[in-house]
Amino acid sequence: GENVEQHPSTLSVQEGDSAVIKCTYSDSASNYFPWYKQELGKRPQLIIDIRSNVGEKKDQRIAVTLNKTAKHFSLHITETQPEDSAVYFCAASRVDDYKLSFGAGTTVTVRA
Amino acid sequence: DGGITQSPKYLFRKEGQNVTLSCEQNLNHDAMYWYRQDPGQGLRLIYYSQIVNDFQKGDIAEGYSVSREKKESFPLTVTSAQKNPTAFYLCASSSQGGSYEQYFGPGTRLTVT
Repeated sequence: GENVEQHPSTLSVQEGDSAVIKCTYSDSASNYFPWYKQELGKRPQLIIDIRSNVGEKKDQRIAVTLNKTAKHFSLHITETQPEDSAVYFCAASRVDDYKLSFGAGTTVTVRA
Repeated sequence: DGGITQSPKYLFRKEGQNVTLSCEQNLNHDAMYWYRQDPGQGLRLIYYSQIVNDFQKGDIAEGYSVSREKKESFPLTVTSAQKNPTAFYLCASSSQGGSYEQYFGPGTRLTVT
């Protein structure tokens, strides 16, 4: 099955700086890569996703890049703000598969 | 903030007892999922259901059972066979599988002593 590894497990950044989280996956057939954000005490919510037919996708301060050859994808958060403090999960699946494999999560802390 | 609900928020049980966690959605979603969340291990899939009266094992199904008799409901039973049942359990739903967004419930924290 699919195995998703996520790094780093914790990340502390100064407000206004950028944060980068990296994930690798094992199944070369995976072609859907979402990112979920879970704030403290709340449910995970989808923040951005990318499909294998594109290499990069951007939504305001958040961007995701995908390198299918190397089987890795990354989340980039620019101009970090206190509300970006949360646990971020990457995931991977095949478009036609119901099973979503999650990484272990990255706890991001934005220091004021 | 409706959509998908789980109850109760906290649940305490004695070892050896079965316990059932509730998950209900009013999003008219076909697919429903159960995940277990442990510190440092992300979200691990227990069971999922693509449609009513059908469900499949996920990666860590041992010691758990589910049913899907109604589209809106997907209860999870944690049996006494589950070796380490204390965890945070999340239910989710999606309109279809694959590349469709999964909407999560608020979770149930189960403590077994």
